[in-house]
Amino acid sequence: NAGVTQTPKFRVLKTGQSMTLLCAQDMNHEYMYWYRQDPGMGLRLIHYSVGEGTTAKGEVPDGYNVSRLKKQNFLLGLESAAPSQTSVYFCASSSLGDSKTYEQYFGPGTRLTVT
Amino acid sequence: KNQVEQSPQSLIILEGKNCTLQCNYTVSPFSNLRWYKQDTGRGPVSLTIMTFSENTKSNGRYTATLDADTKQSSLHITASQLSDSASYICVVRDQTGANNLFFGTGTRLTVIP
Repeated sequence: NAGVTQTPKFRVLKTGQSMTLLCAQDMNHEYMYWYRQDPGMGLRLIHYSVGEGTTAKGEVPDGYNVSRLKKQNFLLGLESAAPSQTSVYFCASSSLGDSKTYEQYFGPGTRLTVT
Repeated sequence: KNQVEQSPQSLIILEGKNCTLQCNYTVSPFSNLRWYKQDTGRGPVSLTIMTFSENTKSNGRYTATLDADTKQSSLHITASQLSDSASYICVVRDQTGANNLFFGTGTRLTVIP
C-alpha cells in the first residue's frame, strides 16, 4: 500500500513551458486535492475533486487545470508556466466514508522551479 | 475572515527538553482541528485531531489541547528527540464541507543535541 504518490519529485521549467504533475492514490479515496506550499504561507488549495470525472476550483486556481479521469489519479497541468508558479506542490486524498474528520493523506510533494 | 495563526514561527530546543506550540483560530463554525507534522522534503502527516467536545488528546509524547471558547489549541512535546525536528502545522476545518480547511503557516522546530 503506497498511499499517495507524486511524479515527478523535482522539475525545472522555463517560462512558457507546460507540464503535468501526476498524483496517484491506492486507498480508494473519493476526494483528491492539489495544494501549493510557499515559504511563509500555509498550504493553499488549487483544485480539488470529489469523485471521478468531477473537479472544482480552490483558493488559487488561476494558471492551473486538473483532470480526474480515473478515481485513483488526479492530474495537475500548467499550460504556460510562470515564475510565480515556483513552489512545492502537494497532492492529498481523503475518504468520503470518514465524514466526521475527513483526514487528508498527503503525497511527498513535487518541487517545481520556473526560470 | 477565517484565519489560523501559529506561534512561534520557529523554535530551537535542546534534546530532552519539552516545548509547547500555539495555534489560534477564528474559523467558524468550527468542526475540528488537526495537528500535522511535516518533515523536511515530505508531505504533512496527521498527529492528532481535536473535535469540539475534546479538551486533551495524546499521541505518545505529543499532547494536544483545545479550548473551543477561546479558539486556541496547543501542541506539547515531551522529552524531545532529534527526530521531532520538523514543521508542525495546525489545520482547522469548518462545518460547511469536506474541503473547507484553513492552514496555519506552521512552527519550525529544531531539536539540537
